[in-house]
Amino acid sequence: DAMVIQNPRYQVTQFGKPVTLSCSQTLNHNVMYWYQQKSSQAPKLLFHYYDKDFNNEADTPDNFQSRRPNTSFCFLDIRSPGLGDAAMYLCATSNPGRTGSAFFGQGTRLTVV
Amino acid sequence: AQSVTQPDIHITVSEGASLELRCNYSYGATPYLFWYVQSPGQGLQLLLKYFSGDTLVQGIKGFEAEFKRSQSSFNLRKPSVHWSDAAEYFCAVSGATNKLIFGTGTLLAVQP
Repeated sequence: DAMVIQNPRYQVTQFGKPVTLSCSQTLNHNVMYWYQQKSSQAPKLLFHYYDKDFNNEADTPDNFQSRRPNTSFCFLDIRSPGLGDAAMYLCATSNPGRTGSAFFGQGTRLTVV
Repeated sequence: AQSVTQPDIHITVSEGASLELRCNYSYGATPYLFWYVQSPGQGLQLLLKYFSGDTLVQGIKGFEAEFKRSQSSFNLRKPSVHWSDAAEYFCAVSGATNKLIFGTGTLLAVQP
């Protein structure tokens, strides 16, 4: 089945140690998104790629970076994780416009120790 | 400013009872509206969406929602709730770029 896959499902990292989360899709969608969802809060958009064009949200900290080497893969890099970055990170994909509902992966739960 | 309001943080219903979850939005252009469901520790699953046309939309798992432009609302309904419906429900709005703006969610508990 076509889907959005996030790896790993659970990630524990040390304070200040760089960490990378990955997302892959078999839907061949143009757009890929990264959302951060803290406990009991709504998902918040960090950035998205429209094909190779990177679009950062204005309030996304510089500590968060992303790469999209090809259509299928997108990575979230956290350069120096702090305790406040512990959250669920959700990857989503869509095609733009009226046909483009966003499909979400299962998420990666990040713990910072 | 674009925003979504879900006024009910937590709702408890009895199994078999009807359900309505409220959602109000603020969006400058014609909105695309969505309801997603999230089980604990899981990603978001799309229940239904409204882009245009018939204002009553049917979704998966027996859910439906009605778009009311005059009230800026997109309430989610289900005639008979099952225990497996216990989860968190998010209403969201987007435009052509499909950047979703979420409400704060409504946590649904189902009593036997």
